[in-house]
Amino acid sequence: EAGVAQSPRYKIIEKRQSVAFWCNPISGHATLYWYQQILGQGPKLLIQFQNNGVVDDSQLPKDRFSAERLKGVDSTLKIQPAKLEDSAVYLCASSLGWSGSRYNEQFFGPGTRLTVL
Amino acid sequence: GENVEQHPSTLSVQEGDSAVIKCTYSDSASNYFPWYKQELGKGPQLIIDIRSNVGEKKDQRIAVTLNKTAKHFSLHITETQPEDSAVYFCAASIWDSNYQLIWGAGTKLIIKP
Repeated sequence: EAGVAQSPRYKIIEKRQSVAFWCNPISGHATLYWYQQILGQGPKLLIQFQNNGVVDDSQLPKDRFSAERLKGVDSTLKIQPAKLEDSAVYLCASSLGWSGSRYNEQFFGPGTRLTVL
Repeated sequence: GENVEQHPSTLSVQEGDSAVIKCTYSDSASNYFPWYKQELGKGPQLIIDIRSNVGEKKDQRIAVTLNKTAKHFSLHITETQPEDSAVYFCAASIWDSNYQLIWGAGTKLIIKP
């Protein structure tokens, strides 16, 4: 079974520039998550999709971050404009079950390492 | 807000010895506690989990214990091997209009040959 795919793996940009990340979840997984992982910290949930609808985006900085999941499959996360503090690894994960189910194993992609100069 | 504290931040053990990582959580309603292993350049991968109606769970060399009264849970790795070297994260479920996981800060486990 193919895992969660993410691209690019690395990205270096200057502050105030824009950047976009792409995620392709495991086939058949209804739930998709975007996490931000700052060096030395655990993952922090940014947004959670159930099919193509947003379930939770309470920690997404909506003035600069946006995400979409068209057709309930692939997803893109965008930052515009980027700030120095956005430097982190952005992880995409997917799970099989519905958001109301408590015990869904999350499968993670390798992440995109973003450096903002 | 709710949080999960994880200790130690770094743990170095001799190959063959045991390793223990501890986490405490703040939300008494948390009822699902997974442990993830993250190797360099990869995303986290679930290695074991425990639910609130169970006090202990074991899978080969890995075990997790849960003390709901004290609100803490621990990961135990016995007979450590070089491939156990990684960063380990604990997490706890919370309900905030949706079930989600709150993650610990991670423990870097180093296995010395």
